[in-house]
Amino acid sequence: RKEVEQDPGPFNVPEGATVAFNCTYSNSASQSFFWYRQDCRKEPKLLMSVYSSGNEDGRFTAQLNRASQYISLLIRDSKLSDSATYLCVVNIAGRGYQKVTFGTGTKLQVIP
Amino acid sequence: DGGITQSPKYLFRKEGQNVTLSCEQNLNHDAMYWYRQDPGQGLRLIYYSQIVNDFQKGDIAEGYSVSREKKESFPLTVTSAQKNPTAFYLCASSTRDSAYEQYFGPGTRLTVT
Repeated sequence: RKEVEQDPGPFNVPEGATVAFNCTYSNSASQSFFWYRQDCRKEPKLLMSVYSSGNEDGRFTAQLNRASQYISLLIRDSKLSDSATYLCVVNIAGRGYQKVTFGTGTKLQVIP
Repeated sequence: DGGITQSPKYLFRKEGQNVTLSCEQNLNHDAMYWYRQDPGQGLRLIYYSQIVNDFQKGDIAEGYSVSREKKESFPLTVTSAQKNPTAFYLCASSTRDSAYEQYFGPGTRLTVT
C-alpha cells in the first residue's frame, strides 16, 4: 500500500460547483498534513495546512479524519483559476528527523 | 525578493554525458531538497541536505550526486549511470523544523536523447 494515496482524477466540474478530494495515508504515526497546489508545468506551492479540528481559508476547507486516516479538501464556488493539481502531503517527525511524503496529486479542471 | 532559483529552465543533453543542475536560495533555509517528477507521477525525493557539508540519499538516489558546500547552493549532478534521466527536476528548501513547508524553485526540464 502506498504511504499516501490520491485519486488522480481528473475531476471536471463547472464553474461555481463544489468539489471535494480525499487523500488517504497509511502510517498512523503521521503527525501533520498539508495541501499543495501545482499548476501545469510549474512548481508546487503550499495551499494550506490541515488541522485536527478542520480549517477554512476562504472557499477552501480542509479536514482530517485520524480514525480513518484520510484528509480532505473541499473547494466551494469553483473558479476557472482553481484548475490545477492538488497534492496532499503527510509529515512524520521524530527526534531529529522529519519525513515528508507527497501524494501523486488529484487533477481538477474547472470548465466554463 | 527572497526565493529559490533553478537554472536553466530547459536542458538538453546527449546520453552518456553528466549534467549539473543549479539550485540557489536566499531564504536562509538550512534544509534543501531535490525531487524528480515524471508525467502522471508524484514527487520522488532524490537527495536532501539539512545542513552545510551534509546530505542524505532519498528514495531514488542511484545515478545522482549532490554537494552542499554553501548554505545557499545545492547543485545536483545527473550522471550517465542514471538510466532514465529525462524528467522535471524540482529543488526545494525549508527550515529544519518545518520540512513540511517547502518552497520550490521553478524547476528544470531535462531531456536526454
